Amino acid sequence: DAGVTQSPTHLIKTRGQQVTLRCSPKSGHDTVSWYQQALGQGPQFIFQYYEEEERQRGNFPDRFSGHQFPNYSSELNVNALLLGDSALYLCASSSQGSGLFGPGTRLTVL
Amino acid sequence: GQQLNQSPQSMFIQEGEDVSMNCTSSSIFNTWLWYKQDPGEGPVLLIALYKAGELTSNGRLTAQFGITRKDSFLNISASIPSDVGIYFCAGQPYTGTASKLTFGTGTRLQVTL
Repeated sequence: DAGVTQSPTHLIKTRGQQVTLRCSPKSGHDTVSWYQQALGQGPQFIFQYYEEEERQRGNFPDRFSGHQFPNYSSELNVNALLLGDSALYLCASSSQGSGLFGPGTRLTVL
Repeated sequence: GQQLNQSPQSMFIQEGEDVSMNCTSSSIFNTWLWYKQDPGEGPVLLIALYKAGELTSNGRLTAQFGITRKDSFLNISASIPSDVGIYFCAGQPYTGTASKLTFGTGTRLQVTL
C-alpha cells in the first residue's frame, strides 16, 4: 500500500491563476482532509470531505474549494491565486481518528 | 486560524541529552497528538493521547495529556541525530473520529554530536 499520495509534488503559478491539487487516500480510508502549511508554521485545516460532501471547513475563503470522488480520492481547487497562497498543501486520509498525511504539494505563487 | 502555543520554538541539544517541549491551548481538546515532520515530507504521528492525565510512551518518547485538557507535553530521552526535525502538537475536539486537527506552532529540534 502506497499510503497517501499527492500530485503534483511541486508547481509554480502566477497571481490570478487557478490550481488543482490531487490526493489519493490510503486504501480503506474514506475521509480526506486538506491542510495549508505556510513556511515556518504549523498546518492549518482547510476542509474535510466524507461521502463526497464537505463535512467541515476551516477559516478559508470561498476561493478554496474541493471535491471528493466515489473512489474517495479528492481535489483541492484554489481560484484567483494570491502571493499568500504559496505554501505546502497537505492531504490527510482517515477512516476514524487522526489520519495519515501525504507528502504534500509545494505551491509557489509568483 | 487558531494555532496552539508550543515552546520552546527551537532548541539545540547534544546527542544523548533529554528533551522536553510543551503545548498549550486556550480551549479544551479531547485528543492530543504529537507529530514529527522532516523536510519535504508530511507530518508523521508519534504519539496519540485520548484521556486527561494519560501518560503514554513510544520507545524513547513519552507524552502526557494535561489534566485540564488544555495542554500536553512531549519528552524525548537520550536524543540521537535522527531526532532532528520539527515537532508539532495537535489537538482534536473529539476522540475516535476524523475531526479536524488544530496544530501548534512547532518546535525545531537540532541535535549536535
